[in-house]
Amino acid sequence: SQQGEEDPQALSIQEGENATMNCSYKTSINNLQWYRQNSGRGLVHLILIRSNEREKHSGRLRVTLDTSKKSSSLLITASRAADTASYFCATDAKGAQKLVFGQGTRLTINP
Amino acid sequence: DAGITQSPRHKVTETGTPVTLRCHQTENHRYMYWYRQDPGHGLRLIHYSYGVKDTDKGEVSDGYSVSRSKTEDFLLTLESATSSQTSVYFCAIRELAASTDTQYFGPGTRLTVL
Repeated sequence: SQQGEEDPQALSIQEGENATMNCSYKTSINNLQWYRQNSGRGLVHLILIRSNEREKHSGRLRVTLDTSKKSSSLLITASRAADTASYFCATDAKGAQKLVFGQGTRLTINP
Repeated sequence: DAGITQSPRHKVTETGTPVTLRCHQTENHRYMYWYRQDPGHGLRLIHYSYGVKDTDKGEVSDGYSVSRSKTEDFLLTLESATSSQTSVYFCAIRELAASTDTQYFGPGTRLTVL
């Protein structure tokens, strides 16, 4: 069973707009991570947010975490064509030595 | 890419044949993982290793075995390949430190079982 579930499954926006993706999970976590995957490539780590953090920024990325709702969101501001990719959340359950990935959100940025 | 290579990158095989995929790392990381990626299922963990000769099952381990006889290599074996094992396989290492916890992925192996 998947720990993380992303929403929406697909998102298409115009270049310059902001993109928001959501992730929900089921159990207590140590941290939550977001990864990007360009077509045909391996996943690339974007950002990690720990369970005691509520918000984190990295460049044009903003991640929030609400542990009471077991949810996270990834905001990409001022999107670019190069942001076109699939985005995955992954959770590190407490006591586990592994990540569990969601099914991903496929983001398309239209020029 | 944290010095991760996978071989082969592409393989076509027939049902019932054994297949071994290799993951090699150059940076001495303790944790290594094998995932498969299929449309509609995202990334699913097959097996992982937390040290030489220390391995454990993931969520989709049936039909797969692994071995790790040295730190740098993590092998995934399909003893008797089936069409349901057609997939893209990714290896990953985990970099774990005080301020970071990141997985780095290899380029993937596309396996087709006919």
